[in-house]
This record gives sequence, structure tokens and C-alpha cells, in this order.
Amino acid sequence: EVQLVESGGGLVQPGGSLRLSCAASGFTFYTYAMSWVRQAPGKGLEWVSSFSGSDANTFYTDSVKGRFTISRDTSKNTLYLQMSSLRAEDTAVYYCVKGYSGSYYGAYFDYWGQGTLVTVSS
Amino acid sequence: DVVMTQSPLSLLVTPGEPASISCRSSQNLLHTNGYTYLDWYLQKPGQSPQLLIYFGSNRASGVPDRFSGSGSGTDFTLKISRVEAEDVGVYYCMQALHTPAFGQGTRLEIK
Repeated sequence: EVQLVESGGGLVQPGGSLRLSCAASGFTFYTYAMSWVRQAPGKGLEWVSSFSGSDANTFYTDSVKGRFTISRDTSKNTLYLQMSSLRAEDTAVYYCVKGYSGSYYGAYFDYWGQGTLVTVSS
Repeated sequence: DVVMTQSPLSLLVTPGEPASISCRSSQNLLHTNGYTYLDWYLQKPGQSPQLLIYFGSNRASGVPDRFSGSGSGTDFTLKISRVEAEDVGVYYCMQALHTPAFGQGTRLEIK
């Protein structure tokens, strides 16, 4: 059974940093693209970043480029999102998602975690 | 960037009646491999989104056959043949052929 369990969310001041983790199980982690998708309170879904399983390329939405870094530890089957220079508009539930395939963004997102809330506020 | 536009943004449906949601992409979603990279997701109240339809018309595992996806190129439709109470939530279309992008979401409620 595929499981994605996020952790690391919390309250952080503007300009601060936070690292999200996603513990994956039930599939061969390193062969699949993995992504982060966020949802601001009361808003829709927004893709944030992807890590390609096939060639370890990384992709980011424009609003987080230079501030967020996606990475993975295949020995721990864990996906990370290092977030820095956080802004109020980064406040959201962050979902870890598994792609169907290993390339680019994974074609589609077949499994989602339960999400972790990040609140950026003073 | 690809823009995904859904309509309507809200639906109020009587149980047993059909429902339809439209999704339009600003760019063609046909991959050179022959697959159309358009998906549908449902976010039920208080839950994470779940995959309903992938590659335009394929139902995900466990999805009832009252859900169907159709369309090609830039115009797509999600249809529910007979709405049930458990279908309430927000429906999103998404494309991942280009930088992933979601539609605004369509909220389905039961009369």
C-alpha cells in the first residue's frame, strides 16, 4: 500500500525557514517523480515543485524559485522541501504527491499525502 | 504558462441527476507519445485530493463508472451520470504535459 506522510509544518515568521519531509512507502521510491502541491486557506491547488525520478532533475513554480529547494534521500525514502525567505503568501497546506511515472512531473499524481500546514505570520 | 479554465465554478445537483464540468486548456495537451495529459481530481470536504481520471478518459482504480472523462486537444469534460451524495466536493482538472497547472476548481453541492 502506497503511503505518503508529511511532517515539518508549523508557524514561522516572515523571512524564516522551514523544512518539510515526506516519508514514502509501498513503492520503489527512487523510480518515480515526486512533487509538492500546496493549497492556501480556502483556495485552489497550486503545483510547487517536482523531483524527477528518472534523472533527478528538479522543477519549480516561478514564485518559489531561488527560495525553495526540493530534494530526496533514497536511503530513507524521503522527499524534502527546504523553504527559506518565507512570505505570508506561502501560507498553505503542503501536499506530497507521487507521480505515475519517473519522468518530468510524473504525468499525473496518483497518490497524495494528508498534507502539512505551513503558516507564515508574525 | 498553460492556463486551465473550468466552468461552471459551482454546481447544485439533485441526487440521481447528471452533472458536467468543462475544462479548457490554453495549449494542446496531446503528448508525442499519444497520450493526452489531462487529469481530474476530487477533493472531498476535509480530505486530500484524489485522482479520478487520468490521460483524459481513464478512470483511476476504485472510481465508480458513473464518472467519465472525455475530450481532446484543449477541451475536456468530466461527466457524472447520476450524482450521489458522496460526490460532493471540489473538482479540479490538471495538466502535467507542460509545467503543471490546475483549474480553479468546481464546487459540487447536493440539492
